[in-house]
Amino acid sequence: DIQMTQSPSSLSASVGDRVTITCRASQGISNYLVWYQQKRGKVPKLLIYAASTLQSGVPSRFSGSGSGTDFTLTISSLQPEDVATYYCQKYNSAPLTFGPGTKVDIK
Amino acid sequence: EVQLMESGGGLVQPGESLRLSCAASGFTFSSYWMHWVRQAAGKGLVWVSRINSDGSSTSYADSVKGRFTISRDNAKNTLYLQMNSLRAEDTAVYYCARGGVIVPSAINGWGQGTLVTVSS
Repeated sequence: DIQMTQSPSSLSASVGDRVTITCRASQGISNYLVWYQQKRGKVPKLLIYAASTLQSGVPSRFSGSGSGTDFTLTISSLQPEDVATYYCQKYNSAPLTFGPGTKVDIK
Repeated sequence: EVQLMESGGGLVQPGESLRLSCAASGFTFSSYWMHWVRQAAGKGLVWVSRINSDGSSTSYADSVKGRFTISRDNAKNTLYLQMNSLRAEDTAVYYCARGGVIVPSAINGWGQGTLVTVSS
């Protein structure tokens, strides 16, 4: 099965900073990748699908890129409400494995 | 508004069985793929299983294959997860989740979850 990794596992940045999270698949998955945001005590929220397509209603400061094995989620200007754990998930074929998550905090 | 209400969680002993249900409303249930995702306390998300819109195709995580069965009743707008031979490592909050229209495997609707605890 394809394994998903994320880096870093956690980060702390200042409001207004550009934040980049990396997700890597152990084998190529084309662009079959989604990103979720999960705030503490809440259910996850879909941010991006097909690696780079922004889900309706998601702020434009979020963007995704990548294809094959390497993907990134970028927050162009970090806001206090972006404090959360971010997960990638592959969906090219089952199992639909999640990455381990990246916890984002405000410095 | 998408509403998903899980039920059936609880405390069971290792080796026992449990059936989770998820009542769906606010959307045309029979048109969507559905998923189960679990999350142990303080841990990450783990995809468990998915079923296509008419129930003819299912998939499972390796960790539950052969023990869990996903099913749906489109007439009752209800999703199920039959969990047999439960293990301590199955302890988690189980979320019922709805796939997307364009990407059925991109989850854009979640229930609030039901807690399953497997302990002697």
